[in-house]
Amino acid sequence: DQQVKQNSPSLSVQEGRISILNCDYTNSMFDYFLWYKKYPAEGPTFLISISSIKDKNEDGRFTVFLNKSAKHLSLHIVPSQPGDSAVYFCAANTGANSKLTFGKGITLSVRP
Amino acid sequence: EAQVTQNPRYLITVTGKKLTVTCSQNMNHEYMSWYRQDPGLGLRQIYYSMNVEVTDKGDVPEGYKVSRKEKRNFPLILESPSPNQTSLYFCASSSPGPGSSGANVLTFGAGSRLTVL
Repeated sequence: DQQVKQNSPSLSVQEGRISILNCDYTNSMFDYFLWYKKYPAEGPTFLISISSIKDKNEDGRFTVFLNKSAKHLSLHIVPSQPGDSAVYFCAANTGANSKLTFGKGITLSVRP
Repeated sequence: EAQVTQNPRYLITVTGKKLTVTCSQNMNHEYMSWYRQDPGLGLRQIYYSMNVEVTDKGDVPEGYKVSRKEKRNFPLILESPSPNQTSLYFCASSSPGPGSSGANVLTFGAGSRLTVL
């Protein structure tokens, strides 16, 4: 049972435009949601997180939105840059359990 | 520099030949974990450790062993590797202690690409 779902395997956007990466989850016990970014030949790196008590968290060009009733979160990148081209993983954990459950990832390509 | 170090980065081996992938972190993290990444399957947890001498199975533990004798090291052991263990492996660590709450912000190593022929 896949608890964190990233249903779109890839996304291509023009430089300067907004990138919206979506993620759905099924486990209502998740308290924290995270996004990781991964370049080829490197390990994933933490990008941004949000607690379930919030509906938005912003860090520079990156904003994560959480809709608990829909069990949906999204990562917005504005404006998108070619250096943002990478695989993005959505992940979640509960407050009492450190296990981080990942989605399958989405490959973002930002065209110059 | 705070980091997670994995070795080897690349390895080609044959079926049945025991191998160990080492993982070491210099951040004094309590929590360590191994993941494998496969096309179309994302990152799946193999084993994790909440602290020294405390390990537990993740989602795909079959064919793997781990140990946590020291806080900084968490080796992944493949006793008898098989071709279906060909994958990209990541070690990761984080600071939540047992029973603590909060976002589990993992720091990942650079990955170890293993090919089993």
